Amino acid sequence: NAGVMQNPRHLVRRRGQEARLRCSPMKGHSHVYWYRQLPEEGLKFMVYLQKENIIDESGMPKERFSAEFPKEGPSILRIQQVVRGDSAAYFCASSPRIAALGETQYFGPGTRLLVL
Amino acid sequence: QQQVKQSPQSLIVQKGGISIINCAYENTAFDYFPWYQQFPGKGPALLIAIRPDVSEKKEGRFTISFNKSAKQFSLHIMDSQPGDSATYFCAANLTGGGNKLTFGTGTQLKVEL
Repeated sequence: NAGVMQNPRHLVRRRGQEARLRCSPMKGHSHVYWYRQLPEEGLKFMVYLQKENIIDESGMPKERFSAEFPKEGPSILRIQQVVRGDSAAYFCASSPRIAALGETQYFGPGTRLLVL
Repeated sequence: QQQVKQSPQSLIVQKGGISIINCAYENTAFDYFPWYQQFPGKGPALLIAIRPDVSEKKEGRFTISFNKSAKQFSLHIMDSQPGDSATYFCAANLTGGGNKLTFGTGTQLKVEL
């Protein structure tokens, strides 16, 4: 059973460009979470999605960031007009069942974004 | 607001020794406490987790001790090995609160020969 897949693993963008990060959850998982990890810091929750729905986006910056999890295909985290402060590792996690059961989240290998 | 405080920031232990990492939380509504292990360039991997209805959970060389009244929990790694050298994160989850994990700041463990 393949784990959570993320691509690209490394992404370099210049200031003002767009970054698109993709996440394919584990087979059978319908819940996706995005976290951001700044250097030397812990992971910070960004957004929680189910298929075609954003459940909790309380950790998302109000501007330039958006996320989706379409009916078909991977979840996408999109960062418009990137700035140097967006440089970080972005991790996706997935879980199999509804949040109320406190299911374990399984993490992907991350996308390391570097903004020049 | 730092809801989960983790210490120490870094830890050096001799091979065969016991590694102890501590976490304290503020929100008494948290009800699931996992520990994650992260190697450089990799994503966090679940190591062990506990719910507040038990005071201790052991899996192999890894033990979580949980003190609900003090709002503290700790990870003990017995017989530490060089392969255990990694960054360890404690986390807390609020079931029914969107299942979003609140992470500690991490502990870099180095096990020396």
